[in-house]
Amino acid sequence: SQQGEEDPQALSIQEGENATMNCSYKTSINNLQWYRQNSGRGLVHLILIRSNEREKHSGRLRVTLDTSKKSSSLLITASRAADTASYFCATDARGGADGLTFGKGTHLIIQP
Amino acid sequence: DVKVTQSSRYLVKRTGEKVFLECVQDMDHENMFWYRQDPGLGLRLIYFSYDVKMKEKGDIPEGYSVSREKKERFSLILESASTNQTSMYLCASSLSGEITDTQYFGPGTRLTVL
Repeated sequence: SQQGEEDPQALSIQEGENATMNCSYKTSINNLQWYRQNSGRGLVHLILIRSNEREKHSGRLRVTLDTSKKSSSLLITASRAADTASYFCATDARGGADGLTFGKGTHLIIQP
Repeated sequence: DVKVTQSSRYLVKRTGEKVFLECVQDMDHENMFWYRQDPGLGLRLIYFSYDVKMKEKGDIPEGYSVSREKKERFSLILESASTNQTSMYLCASSLSGEITDTQYFGPGTRLTVL
């Protein structure tokens, strides 16, 4: 069963605006990751946040984690057309090396 | 940079055929994974391997088998392809470890079974 569930399923914004996507999960985790997938391609790792961290930044990306609510958010600031992609959260509910459980993704469209 | 390659980007096979999907990684990663991705269902784990000759079932192993004879190569086998196995197949690898388990994905193989 899917551990992470992204919200919304689809999001369309204007270039330059900020985009926020949310992820909720059900069981305890060691870390949560966000990945991006461009159309018809493989996934690319964006950022990993550990269960003892509350916020993490990487360039225009900001990830928060609230373990009490079992939720995470991914914020992309000053969006660009190249940010158009699907974004997935993934958790390690299975444990370290045993694979990740991915959500169904948020499809983000940046309108020029 | 980690590189994960998959043998084909697109593949068309007939029902009943035996299908081999190959995945190779060049970073000496311990763990390798096979997923399938379908619209509305996201990524689902088929099988994974944490060492040579070792394999573990994921969420949906039925109709599939895997082989890992060398550390860098992980093969997914469809013993008798069926139309419901039409999908995008994604291979990934990761270093062993509890925290640093970032996965590196190949470009995917879009398989169509007729």
